[in-house]
Amino acid sequence: QVQLQESGPGLVKPSETLSLTCAVSGYSISSGYYWGWIRQPPGKGLEWIGSIYHSGSTYYNPSLKSRVTISVDTSKNQFSLKLSSVTAADTAVYYCARHGTALHRYYFDYWGQGTLVTVSS
Amino acid sequence: EIVMTQSPATLSVSPGERATLSCRASQSVSSNLAWYQQKPGQAPRLLIYGASTRATGIPARFSGSGSGTEFTLTISSLQSEDFAVYYCQQYNNWPLTFGQGTKVEIK
Repeated sequence: QVQLQESGPGLVKPSETLSLTCAVSGYSISSGYYWGWIRQPPGKGLEWIGSIYHSGSTYYNPSLKSRVTISVDTSKNQFSLKLSSVTAADTAVYYCARHGTALHRYYFDYWGQGTLVTVSS
Repeated sequence: EIVMTQSPATLSVSPGERATLSCRASQSVSSNLAWYQQKPGQAPRLLIYGASTRATGIPARFSGSGSGTEFTLTISSLQSEDFAVYYCQQYNNWPLTFGQGTKVEIK
């Protein structure tokens, strides 16, 4: 069974960098699939942030691209998110999830439980 | 960016009744459309992909239809565990985008 687990600080100060890691178990990241980040502000909808393949190939949401870096560590079977220059608008539950590699398979079939990150001084 | 618009925002339905949720794309997404269910405090769960294919373990009372720009999720007979928020997601183009959600509540 594929399992994803987010971890990282729950509180980040404005203007600093948000850093999260997603540990994957039950499946080797190197075997395929894209691994992505999605966020959900409190009481609001879902926003895709970006995705990475085990080779390091990435896709980012243009709305966040200038501030986002997603990286992968296949040796630890995990991938990470960095979001710089955060503001209160970046307060959200951050999810990691998996999606397929072909155009018709870019839906998210496995999700982490999510982690709330609050941006506040 | 493809904008996904869901309607209605809230749907009040009695248990056992049928629920019909709509999702419209700002341009064609072919059949590259997924539906998710989200309960409070939980991650979204994949229900439907390819506009009409149920994901593993999803009950047959959930069905999806449509192609191009108009899509529908139907829950044939609502069970207590189906009251939740439902999101559609297009995956025909980058960036991947979601609708704003439809909340299905008990009438």
